[in-house]
Amino acid sequence: AQTVTQSQPEMSVQEAETVTLSCTYDTSESDYYLFWYKQPPSRQMILVIRQEAYKQQNATENRFSVNFQKAAKSFSLKISDSQLGDAAMYFCAYRSATTDSWGKLQFGAGTQVVVTP
Amino acid sequence: GAVVSQHPSRVICKSGTSVKIECRSLDFQATTMFWYRQFPKQSLMLMATSNEGSKATYEQGVEKDKFLINHASLTLSTLTVTSAHPEDSSFYICSASVRGGNQPQHFGDGTRLSIL
Repeated sequence: AQTVTQSQPEMSVQEAETVTLSCTYDTSESDYYLFWYKQPPSRQMILVIRQEAYKQQNATENRFSVNFQKAAKSFSLKISDSQLGDAAMYFCAYRSATTDSWGKLQFGAGTQVVVTP
Repeated sequence: GAVVSQHPSRVICKSGTSVKIECRSLDFQATTMFWYRQFPKQSLMLMATSNEGSKATYEQGVEKDKFLINHASLTLSTLTVTSAHPEDSSFYICSASVRGGNQPQHFGDGTRLSIL
């Protein structure tokens, strides 16, 4: 079974600064997908960014970018120019590409991002 | 983008009551729906995977008779918490996806269940 580890329970960042959230995972599979989800106080789960394991290029979505290191099984999220609205719990998630997995997500424990003015 | 509607958003009821939560994919046909439970300040815990027209697959430790899941169509799945007790109080979230490819799961807004 795959495991996802987020070792930072909480990260604090000042507005306009950059913060990096770490995520490592354990898998024996070669094909899979990785996601970062954001859960603000409203508890709605919002997809931030996704990465296909077969792609070497790191995904970017505006101020959000990832550093995907397949050999190291690492998938960190960088938030640039942090805004107050970025304050939320961030979850890293793994999804197998095998059809019999039904697309199940394995979530990490989450990292709470606090943005200070 | 894909929209998943979950109702009700909040339920408060007496112990022993059965509670039904609905999860609908509004603008796409979901081949698979997932039900999660989330305790405060914790991650999402997958309870079961529901495929249209077939029985749900429950995760280890989840009581099938306590948490009844029905996925009668490609746009609707329901979770019924039967004879709910205070320990069933939690935040329940559904998600829906289309099988295959890199399609992400689309989440409902969750249901906060409080059993008195």
